[in-house]
Amino acid sequence: AQSVSQHNHHVILSEAASLELGCNYSYGGTVNLFWYVQYPGQHLQLLLKYFSGDPLVKGIKGFEAEFIKSKFSFNLRKPSVQWSDTAEYFCAVTNGQNFVFGPGTRLSVLP
Amino acid sequence: ETGVTQSPTHLIKTRGQQVTLRCSSQSGHNTVSWYQQALGQGPQFIFQYYREEENGRGNFPPRFSGLQFPNYSSELNVNALELDDSALYLCASSLDPGEYEQYFGPGTRLTVT
Repeated sequence: AQSVSQHNHHVILSEAASLELGCNYSYGGTVNLFWYVQYPGQHLQLLLKYFSGDPLVKGIKGFEAEFIKSKFSFNLRKPSVQWSDTAEYFCAVTNGQNFVFGPGTRLSVLP
Repeated sequence: ETGVTQSPTHLIKTRGQQVTLRCSSQSGHNTVSWYQQALGQGPQFIFQYYREEENGRGNFPPRFSGLQFPNYSSELNVNALELDDSALYLCASSLDPGEYEQYFGPGTRLTVT
């Protein structure tokens, strides 16, 4: 069965700090990978996705993620976070039949 | 906003009761997926409907059932409610099952007492 793990439950950063959120998945076949964000009181929104091609994908709001197939990882990065990035971040993977989310990482950015 | 709407916003039920949650998909989307998100956890896939047929199911018991209508709106039904069913129930729509980009609704918060 597929599973997704996220390295950190809660990350606290100051504004302008760099961000990297870890995501690993367990599945040996072809997968599609996603990062979703859930701002306080809002619905889940897609940040970025990887289907194929360049393993470095860029998403909205300055976020990017790198797919490393050999490590089964899809880490999310942002060079300089803002207070408005405070949210819950979910990594997700699908093999076309099941859509599996990680447990989420809560990011708190201090002004 | 994604164009996916869900009703009701909040619901309180008693253990053993039955509940129906509703979802209207984004215009043009014929695929609807349902997820359960317990507090502090990521969404868990319940099932997906495509053109009124179940098109995949996660690890949920048969008392979780669904419907999709010709206009692609959908219902999630849960029978014999248990306390552990308390969660946020999310609906997501997509263009078709092969289009993995999903658009989520705001969710229905179900509390079972």
